[in-house]
Amino acid sequence: GAVVSQHPSRVICKSGTSVKIECRSLDFQATTMFWYRQFPKKSLMLMATSNEGSKATYEQGVEKDKFLINHASLTLSTLTVTSAHPEDSSFYICSVQGDLTGELFFGEGSRLTVL
Amino acid sequence: AQSVTQLDSQVPVFEEAPVELRCNYSSSVSVYLFWYVQYPNQGLQLLLKYLSGSTLVKGINGFEAEFNKSQTSFHLRKPSVHISDTAEYFCAVSDVQGGKLIFGQGTELSVKP
Repeated sequence: GAVVSQHPSRVICKSGTSVKIECRSLDFQATTMFWYRQFPKKSLMLMATSNEGSKATYEQGVEKDKFLINHASLTLSTLTVTSAHPEDSSFYICSVQGDLTGELFFGEGSRLTVL
Repeated sequence: AQSVTQLDSQVPVFEEAPVELRCNYSSSVSVYLFWYVQYPNQGLQLLLKYLSGSTLVKGINGFEAEFNKSQTSFHLRKPSVHISDTAEYFCAVSDVQGGKLIFGQGTELSVKP
């Protein structure tokens, strides 16, 4: 399966600043990557589908201007949380779709804390 | 559209006891089914998956699951659990036409000595 790496694993920032999280597919060329958000003791909420070379597709209720996604290459997608607020504090996980069965390979996750 | 229901939010069990984590799904089309495990502060790792063929699927760490089409279930089982199996377990479904992966609410398995 694909090996997916996220960076940073933990980040603390001040309210109002922007934070960028990187997701890299280390051994697989990923046309499609997915960004999930997970609240404590909760399931994964799909935020957006990141498409290489084109605009991301956001799920209903996710603010496009708030969560900027860029998929500039087949191995890198980035999520930028702009003007972060404490309610943006969460665990963000990216994943790569391995094949047409829908199986996903996940990164280690990035825990964002906004003070 | 598909949906997944994990019937138990928490399952406490003693070490070396058997365990079953329940998962039911709904879909109007044929599906692929998955079980993922998440350890604290980590991403998700695939335990096993059902694509087609034999309804009994064996995965890593001694886990297995059985696909039951008539009951629309995909329960996860392990005959003897270890302390290290303590984690969050997610059932997920996608349709065979290449749809998105939809996750259940998760079941917290807590193995006690």
